[in-house]
Amino acid sequence: DTGVSQDPRHKITKRGQNVTFRCDPISEHNRLYWYRQTLGQGPEFLTYFQNEAQLEKSRLLSDRFSAERPKGSFSTLEIQRTEQGDSAMYLCASSLAGQGNEKLFFGSGTQLSVL
Amino acid sequence: DAKTTQPNSMESNEEEPVHLPCNHSTISGTDYIHWYRQLPSQGPEYVIHGLTSNVNNRMASLAIAEDRKSSTLILHRATLRDAAVYYCILRWSGGGADGLTFGKGTHLIIQP
Repeated sequence: DTGVSQDPRHKITKRGQNVTFRCDPISEHNRLYWYRQTLGQGPEFLTYFQNEAQLEKSRLLSDRFSAERPKGSFSTLEIQRTEQGDSAMYLCASSLAGQGNEKLFFGSGTQLSVL
Repeated sequence: DAKTTQPNSMESNEEEPVHLPCNHSTISGTDYIHWYRQLPSQGPEYVIHGLTSNVNNRMASLAIAEDRKSSTLILHRATLRDAAVYYCILRWSGGGADGLTFGKGTHLIIQP
């Protein structure tokens, strides 16, 4: 079990640029989640996939954000035309599908700074 | 969504037990109670979960009130490595994304 890995760990970009983050879940996990966390707050749910299907998206996810999981394995989160308000830690988690009792395993996150 | 209420922070001494409370007065009969913790500069880590009965694992114990409107996470012997933010969340047994947003949690400070 190599855990959930995220790349890059840190990203600094200028306002208006596009950025893409990658998440590799635990290999047998069919669910994958994206969260955003700002300083002093708990993680906010953004979206989740079951296999390659994106099943739910938060209202927080503006149309500048897009997530994919093309083969039901790794996932990417892209932010277009970044704004300073996008600065946050972006966390990925994975799990086996369950009925409310599944455990989520989180990666260490990608820290985004928009200048 | 069912909500939880936790104290903003708690302080304890090393090698003493810690009881972290969580109120969830609007819990439904099908909501699981989950606890996660987040150490500095890391993603959250699963601690324990339960439905109705008390639960024990190698990390902690979960005591659930008989009416399920509150629960307590118990760390039997705190160490400095237990200093973290602890989140109590409710997950609907119907699956989906319900309950997947965390509150602010309790910041646990451990004094040596």
